[in-house]
Amino acid sequence: DTGVSQDPRHKITKRGQNVTFRCDPISEHNRLYWYRQTLGQGPEFLTYFQNEAQLEKSRLLSDRFSAERPKGSFSTLEIQRTEQGDSAMYLCASSLVGEATDTQYFGPGTRLTVL
Amino acid sequence: GQNIDQPTEMTATEGAIVQINCTYQTSGFNGLFWYQQHAGEAPTFLSYNVLDGLEEKGRFSSFLSRSKGYSYLLLKELQMKDSASYLCAVLDSNYQLIWGAGTKLIIKP
Repeated sequence: DTGVSQDPRHKITKRGQNVTFRCDPISEHNRLYWYRQTLGQGPEFLTYFQNEAQLEKSRLLSDRFSAERPKGSFSTLEIQRTEQGDSAMYLCASSLVGEATDTQYFGPGTRLTVL
Repeated sequence: GQNIDQPTEMTATEGAIVQINCTYQTSGFNGLFWYQQHAGEAPTFLSYNVLDGLEEKGRFSSFLSRSKGYSYLLLKELQMKDSASYLCAVLDSNYQLIWGAGTKLIIKP
């Protein structure tokens, strides 16, 4: 299967701990997005990369959040000093710039629970 | 500001037809997407409209009117597996996806 993959699928942590999530996009896709989603809401944009360059980061995003895509392939999202409000589904999506529709395809998500 | 509106919840009967509406106000427009999302799962792509009119894909069709800032998703011959949330999203002038909160569709036998 060559779809978007994310790891881990579930993460339970205690408040104050750091967590890191990984996303592997569809291999030929050059854009990679991170979103956060809570129950009953649409995905909330966090940040995105084109190849290895981080092109935009949400102004609402705390400095505790950082993302990398070092070689333009997989990406990691780190949350430092987690808070209970960080509990959410973290979604990764990828797309191919230049494709007519620029459709984003999502991974299965990582569900984070902060106790 | 940017805004996507869609009903919070709809109920329909198995075998019937349902129309889910979406209105939008965004800074620029580069296309409108519909995604399906089952509970606890990631969104999956359903359709894309960038020109006015109807796009048909099997039991699902999507319509767009750019002048009215309006789209709908039409689901025919409803099946129980269609119970899910349906998300409307617009690609704005910065090629950012602006998302609605989703419409939860409940199918009853």
